[in-house]
Amino acid sequence: AQSVTQPDIHITVSEGASLELRCNYSYGATPYLFWYVQSPGQGLQLLLKYFSGDTLVQGIKGFEAEFKRSQSSFNLRKPSVHWSDAAEYFCAVAGNQAGTALIFGKGTTLSVSS
Amino acid sequence: DVKVTQSSRYLVKRTGEKVFLECVQDMDHENMFWYRQDPGLGLRLIYFSYDVKMKEKGDIPEGYSVSREKKERFSLILESASTNQTSMYLCASSPPDRYAPQHFGDGTRLSIL
Repeated sequence: AQSVTQPDIHITVSEGASLELRCNYSYGATPYLFWYVQSPGQGLQLLLKYFSGDTLVQGIKGFEAEFKRSQSSFNLRKPSVHWSDAAEYFCAVAGNQAGTALIFGKGTTLSVSS
Repeated sequence: DVKVTQSSRYLVKRTGEKVFLECVQDMDHENMFWYRQDPGLGLRLIYFSYDVKMKEKGDIPEGYSVSREKKERFSLILESASTNQTSMYLCASSPPDRYAPQHFGDGTRLSIL
């Protein structure tokens, strides 16, 4: 069965430090992968997506993610975190069939300390 | 930009009431989804629809139903609300392709007393 694991429930990073949020997926074929961010009280906003091609994808707000098939991972990174990046981050994989829903990880909450 | 609008940001209802959560999208998307979000559990799919009058059960459909009479509108119905349905509810829409990202509304925080 398809699944997404985000091993870290909560991470705290100092402002200006680098960030890496981990995501592992279980999927038989080529996955379609997404990272979303949710600010408090808001819906989810798409940060970036991977379908094929270059395994390093760039997103909004200075985020990037690297797809590593051998490790079944799609980790999210940012070189320098800003206080406004404090939010909950979700990794997701598209289901098998066209029109089916995304399968989400349980999320990682990012806190930023000054 | 795609706009997904959920009719209420906050809603308080009583046990046993029939509750309607409304969602409207303005991008002519075929697919629409209802998720429930609870702390530590992430997003769980309740129902989705890939066309008008079509619906499919998700992972946790019990106690819920949906209606899609028009392409732009997808309603979630709690037939007889219970306290364990207190949660954040998120609506999303997307084109039919697997690689198409979903666009989310701001959510409805529903409290059942």
